[in-house]
Amino acid sequence: QKEVEQNSGPLSVPEGAIASLNCTYSDRGSQSFFWYRQYSGKSPELIMFIYSNGDKEDGRFTAQLNKASQYVSLLIRDSQPSDSATYLCAVLFSGGYNKLIFGAGTRLAVHP
Amino acid sequence: DAGVTQSPTHLIKTRGQQVTLRCSPKSGHDTVSWYQQALGQGPQFIFQYYEEEERQRGNFPDRFSGHQFPNYSSELNVNALLLGDSALYLCASSFGDSNEKLFFGSGTQLSVL
Repeated sequence: QKEVEQNSGPLSVPEGAIASLNCTYSDRGSQSFFWYRQYSGKSPELIMFIYSNGDKEDGRFTAQLNKASQYVSLLIRDSQPSDSATYLCAVLFSGGYNKLIFGAGTRLAVHP
Repeated sequence: DAGVTQSPTHLIKTRGQQVTLRCSPKSGHDTVSWYQQALGQGPQFIFQYYEEEERQRGNFPDRFSGHQFPNYSSELNVNALLLGDSALYLCASSFGDSNEKLFFGSGTQLSVL
């Protein structure tokens, strides 16, 4: 089992729709969860982080966390073509000194 | 406020050679983590440096080594390069040893021929 799993996509959504990106993780002790956006040829950029079960909203982005199910998701409302990128889920694995483990990423394509 | 800077941006090497990549963390950050990102994959954790010591290491062979200097800048060294070492090497900085909220540099694209 991979430590952090994401569907590779591509996930194609029309402009203005809601994009839903999902991620599961293997470490039950993990407490911190992050979403990074990576445009082609660029480095990852932190867009959301969440520590507690439930929802966290920031503008058009909502992160959702369910620790019991070891599941974290990212919703992007009113998707725009500029949101087209790869979205990386990252989990801070517990034990000793923490290390941030990334999933392989989900490629999102928003078409006009 | 300077972000994370990496050099060089691109590098071409041949098998068996060694390479050194450099990173300066974001102002105010004292922790540097190195990641390898192969095409189409997520970043893979190589190691983290804090207080000039390697604090955590991923599943990378000893050919991968590093160093952190008193000014918090860091180097990644790779010896005996293999074709499979071709990747984007990302440096990320953060404050403290929590390894949270990483800020990434633009990366060094290494090609091994």
